[in-house]
Amino acid sequence: QQPVQSPQAVILREGEDAVINCSSSKALYSVHWYRQKHGEAPVFLMILLKGGEQKGHEKISASFNEKKQQSSLYLTASQLSYSGTYFCGTGANAGGTSYGKLTFGQGTILTVHP
Amino acid sequence: DSGVTQTPKHLITATGQRVTLRCSPRSGDLSVYWYQQSLDQGLQFLIQYYNGEERAKGNILERFSAQQFPDLHSELNLSSLELGDSALYFCASSVGTSGRSYNEQFFGPGTRLTVL
Repeated sequence: QQPVQSPQAVILREGEDAVINCSSSKALYSVHWYRQKHGEAPVFLMILLKGGEQKGHEKISASFNEKKQQSSLYLTASQLSYSGTYFCGTGANAGGTSYGKLTFGQGTILTVHP
Repeated sequence: DSGVTQTPKHLITATGQRVTLRCSPRSGDLSVYWYQQSLDQGLQFLIQYYNGEERAKGNILERFSAQQFPDLHSELNLSSLELGDSALYFCASSVGTSGRSYNEQFFGPGTRLTVL
């Protein structure tokens, strides 16, 4: 089942902060965050794993609440280059037969104005 | 540039036809993933291959098939095309030493398929 992202869209001025949330109704093993600019490929931002391990870009931070099956992406001191659509992708249990599969949310459109 | 290459970049064809999309993963990556992105369906996982073997399957139609070759490049075959198959098709790759989902996936530039 597709994770739900909120908000659907957000508009910021340069320098402002934003939080994008991703909620799943299924138990999560991993959450992946990507940013996609119009007409381009999604770009990897961060992975968060059950148990606390995470890796990603230095300027990006995120959290993963395993009990609530939620993840949040924190964008601070936003820049014009942050504009794009942000997707969370959720990974099933690593022991399952579909452990390579990511189910993506519907996306959050972020627009940063000067 | 992610290091993942996809060809062709654009493909325009007619209903009922068959097409093949090609993907070359980043050097050293063993896992290849295929995704379909359309306006109304978002980014949909189709299938994953790891070192030549199918590892995970999404909502891939029976008219679609894929394979990964010994040199690790992959092809996605779409047959009996319908108007609704028009979409952006992405290939992604990851190191995937065990095919686990925690490997970050690097996406190729995509193939835009238009079915007329």
